[in-house]
Amino acid sequence: AQSVTQLGSHVSVSEGALVLLRCNYSSSVPPYLFWYVQYPNQGLQLLLKYTSAATLVKGINDFEAEFKKSETSFHLTKPSAHMSDAAEYFCAVTDTGGFKTIFGAGTRLFVKA
Amino acid sequence: EAQVTQNPRYLITVTGKKLTVTCSQNMNHEYMSWYRQDPGLGLRQIYYSMNVEVTDKGDVPEGYKVSRKEKRNFPLILESPSPNQTSLYFCASSSGTGGVETQYFGPGTRLLVL
Repeated sequence: AQSVTQLGSHVSVSEGALVLLRCNYSSSVPPYLFWYVQYPNQGLQLLLKYTSAATLVKGINDFEAEFKKSETSFHLTKPSAHMSDAAEYFCAVTDTGGFKTIFGAGTRLFVKA
Repeated sequence: EAQVTQNPRYLITVTGKKLTVTCSQNMNHEYMSWYRQDPGLGLRQIYYSMNVEVTDKGDVPEGYKVSRKEKRNFPLILESPSPNQTSLYFCASSSGTGGVETQYFGPGTRLLVL
C-alpha cells in the first residue's frame, strides 16, 4: 500500500526566503502525486499535480515540485515566500487504480515578516 | 459557480444518534469521496464513489456508510456515532478517475460527538 511522509510538521521561513516542503512516498512508483494547500477554516485547494508527463511540475502562485524517482520524493518549492503563503500543505498520492488517495500528515508553513 | 457543498457545517450530537452529512456537487463529476481530517494525521479517505451506485471503502470506513443514488449527491451516514468519530469531514469531487483531474473540496463539516 502507498504511504506518504511529510518531513516537518511545522516549517518557518522569512518573507522573501525560499520555501521547501518535503514529501516522500513509498517505493512503488505512484501513478499520481499532488500538493494541496489548506488556508485556515477552508477546504483544500489543489496547488499542482504530477501525472508522469514531466518531472518538474509548475502550479499556482509560483509553487513547483520535482518528481525524483531515485529519491522517492516530490518536494514542493517556492522561490520567495509571501505572507499569504502561510497555510497547511498536504502531499498526496493515488494508488495504481487511481481511486484511493493517501495524504501525508501535513506541514504547516509559517511566514515571518 | 463550480462548487461542492456540505451540510451541516457544524454539528454537535450524542453517542448513538444517527446522523447524515450531505454532500452535493454541481459539476457533473463522476468521482466523489469522503475524508476525515484529524490533527497530526492529515486526511484519511473514508469512502469513495466512481459513479452512481458504485462505491468502495477507503482507509477508514468503519462506522460509516455512504450511498450514491444520484450523480450529484454523496451523503455520509453515521448510523451510531461514537466520540472517536469527532473530526473534520471533507467531501470532494472530480472528473475522471481518483483525482487525475482536479479534486474540488467542500468547505468541511466539523462534527463533535459527545
